[in-house]
Amino acid sequence: EDQVTQSPEALRLQEGESSSLNCSYTVSGLRGLFWYRQDPGKGPEFLFTLYSAGEEKEKERLKATLTKKESFLHITAPKPEDSATYLCAVQDDGGFKTIFGAGTRLFVKA
Amino acid sequence: NAGVTQTPKFQVLKTGQSMTLQCAQDMNHEYMSWYRQDPGMGLRLIHYSVGAGITDQGEVPNGYNVSRSTTEDFPLRLLSAAPSQTSVYFCASSYWGTSGRSYEQYFGPGTRLTVT
Repeated sequence: EDQVTQSPEALRLQEGESSSLNCSYTVSGLRGLFWYRQDPGKGPEFLFTLYSAGEEKEKERLKATLTKKESFLHITAPKPEDSATYLCAVQDDGGFKTIFGAGTRLFVKA
Repeated sequence: NAGVTQTPKFQVLKTGQSMTLQCAQDMNHEYMSWYRQDPGMGLRLIHYSVGAGITDQGEVPNGYNVSRSTTEDFPLRLLSAAPSQTSVYFCASSYWGTSGRSYEQYFGPGTRLTVT
């Protein structure tokens, strides 16, 4: 059964303090791994798709990496506006369904 | 493009009442889905559709019905509301992404439902 586990549940950082969020996954055959950002009271907003181990993608202060068992979302020199919940999800090669992790709530203090 | 729209934003129901959550998309996406999001849990798939006239069950379908008569609309019906259905509901539309390697999903703003 496909499974996604995110850690930590919550992360508090000072502005400029870099860190990483973890997403461990179990899937029979990975079609894609997704990262989303979710602000309070809003729907998830798509960030990245990763397809194979070794792949990396960047957007502003965010960089996502992928291995065969986990993905990391690295946040470099975060700002308060990066505060949000970050969701990880996997899609297996059996079809369309996507399995989500519970998310990591990130708080960045000025 | 408005993207994915959902109505209402908030709803309070009494146990046993029925209602329909509306979802529409203007991106001509084939695939549409309904998820619920509860504290401490990931988004869980309720029902999905791979095209007009075709629907299927997700992970937590009990107590919900869907239909898809057009590409644009995908309403979710609560047949007899229960307190366990208190949640935030998200609709998403998807297409086979530009990379040609996976389905990319776009979410609506959500409906916050409370059942008393």
